[in-house]
Amino acid sequence: QQQVKQSPQSLIVQKGGIPIINCAYENTAFDYFPWYQQFPGKGPALLIAIRPDVSEKKEGRFTISFNKSAKQFSLHIMDSQPGDSATYFCAARQGSTLGRLYFGRGTQLTVWP
Amino acid sequence: EPEVTQTPSHQVTQMGQEVILRCVPISNHLYFYWYRQILGQKVEFLVSFYNNEISEKSEIFDDQFSVERPDGSNFTLKIRSTKLEDSAMYFCASSEAQRDMPLSSYNSPLHFGNGTRLTVT
Repeated sequence: QQQVKQSPQSLIVQKGGIPIINCAYENTAFDYFPWYQQFPGKGPALLIAIRPDVSEKKEGRFTISFNKSAKQFSLHIMDSQPGDSATYFCAARQGSTLGRLYFGRGTQLTVWP
Repeated sequence: EPEVTQTPSHQVTQMGQEVILRCVPISNHLYFYWYRQILGQKVEFLVSFYNNEISEKSEIFDDQFSVERPDGSNFTLKIRSTKLEDSAMYFCASSEAQRDMPLSSYNSPLHFGNGTRLTVT
């Protein structure tokens, strides 16, 4: 059973574009939704995270939009740069289970100069 | 910035052999985890560890797997008899815990190491 569904699998944008990565979940007990960025040969690194009591969170060029009723959340990258080329994972966690994250399948983002 | 370190970066072993993957979590962190990522697939939870015992384990973490904190700094994952399907990238992670904060409101991020690539031949 796939707890978190992520799309698209891959995404190519031009520099300055706004790639959008979408995730959906079923478990309404999830209460923490982080996004991780992973470069080749490295471990996932936390990018930004949101709780379901807010609809949007912005950190620098990265924005999470959260739709609790639709059980969906998305990552927007403003003014994307070639250095943003990486794999992005959404994840979700149930508050009562410290640490266990359910990851999406990942989106491989390529930003062309 | 403190980081989680994992050794070795790549381990090749024959099917049926035992392997031990090693991790040094961030020094003031109290929760430790192992995740794995089969090539091209999603990152999957294996086990969490707190206060010298397993907090939770997934269905993947069967009797072939064990974890240990042998001293004050290392955290290890042992696979007793490796199978071909154990080939994956194994990530150790740690998070800071605050004992007086209710778990339901606790959102300390996980910090991942760079992983050990395990190849079982």
